[in-house]
Amino acid sequence: KAGVTQTPRYLIKTRGQQVTLSCSPISGHRSVSWYQQTPGQGLQFLFEYFSETQRNKGNFPGRFSGRQFSNSRSEMNVSTLELGDSALYLCASSLVRGSDYGYTFGSGTRLTVV
Amino acid sequence: AQRVTQPEKLLSVFKGAPVELKCNYSYSGSPELFWYVQYSRQRLQLLLRHISRESIKGFTADLNKGETSFHLKKPFAQEEDSAMYYCALSGGSTLGRLYFGRGTQLTVWP
Repeated sequence: KAGVTQTPRYLIKTRGQQVTLSCSPISGHRSVSWYQQTPGQGLQFLFEYFSETQRNKGNFPGRFSGRQFSNSRSEMNVSTLELGDSALYLCASSLVRGSDYGYTFGSGTRLTVV
Repeated sequence: AQRVTQPEKLLSVFKGAPVELKCNYSYSGSPELFWYVQYSRQRLQLLLRHISRESIKGFTADLNKGETSFHLKKPFAQEEDSAMYYCALSGGSTLGRLYFGRGTQLTVWP
């Protein structure tokens, strides 16, 4: 079966712009979470959605937002981009919340802010 | 507060040698613990989950609640084991969220 699909794979944006990243979870998975990966901070949790509701939010400014649709697909949006937002953004899906089967990750979207 | 510590940023061993990647955690409650691996130019993938007590690719990990550790072990390392390994924790009020350690880059020399 298809894995977690993230689009686009690469993005280059200018400071001050906004960006939307997309994540399609594994079919049947209802929990989608987002992470930011940087060399300096490692993997940091952004937010988690389940049944179209945000269930958990990490320690990121309000410029970072997301949503989940009825088909479990999710998008995250970053407004007023800053140079420090350059990172690999990973999406992960799971069958249910807190599944002890773990989370399946996508390949990520590499965002570069110039 | 929930925290995962991987004390070694880099670890090098020779092929055939035993390897142990350390993971310590801080969590009030019963955590779910995982090991994830990221091979070069590949996506992050689940290697082990503590609840299953399974062995994957020769790796095992035992949850020691007394020492709050979840070390990853393999008796005979292979070159293809070279990768970045992340320990992660979830559970309780943080359901749906993974706390990751900073990772250990394992290099297995021929």
